[in-house]
Amino acid sequence: GQQLNQSPQSMFIQEGEDVSMNCTSSSIFNTWLWYKQDPGEGPVLLIALYKAGELTSNGRLTAQFGITRKDSFLNISASIPSDVGIYFCAGQLIGNEKLTFGTGTRLTIIP
Amino acid sequence: GAVVSQHPSWVICKSGTSVKIECRSLDFQATTMFWYRQFPKQSLMLMATSNEGSKATYEQGVEKDKFLINHASLTLSTLTVTSAHPEDSSFYICSASSGDGTDTQYFGPGTRLTVL
Repeated sequence: GQQLNQSPQSMFIQEGEDVSMNCTSSSIFNTWLWYKQDPGEGPVLLIALYKAGELTSNGRLTAQFGITRKDSFLNISASIPSDVGIYFCAGQLIGNEKLTFGTGTRLTIIP
Repeated sequence: GAVVSQHPSWVICKSGTSVKIECRSLDFQATTMFWYRQFPKQSLMLMATSNEGSKATYEQGVEKDKFLINHASLTLSTLTVTSAHPEDSSFYICSASSGDGTDTQYFGPGTRLTVL
């Protein structure tokens, strides 16, 4: 099935650094979602975006819905150890509950 | 709110046996549940959409006779992997749609299946 392209594939950062990752699609989505998955767990919803251009924050996390509706980015400020995990974007179309997931960005914090 | 559970959290079985995985929405009713499969270091791939009281809709390439889905109530969906083989070993994750108009999906903690 279709997957969204996420970049970077992995990141190695030091605690306190800011993080930026993005997600691109060849087709338009009406809703963009960002999830975090810890090892051996299911994804947990971080931020949901419903309008093109929308910028939404959740604590240290900020995400934006691209104007073209074909991309989205997620920023994490002042990273902490518990930010370690895999971040997935997901796109959704109006009237269709199915999610299309991105390829994931693995975040590792170097001690 | 919006908690989804899965049982079991992990299971090991012999090749050729069948395994049933349960997905429950604990504090909300879910008319639609989804089943995903995730191989190591890969993303989630949708297997099927499960609607309460009707047949599941399978994604292309997913064998419906091998992965039996039953959504008998608004809080429970089950996935049965029939005649499991080692290549079926994977992390199976369900999600439930809140049905509150936003189509938000809440995910279960996943079930690790290992087929020997």
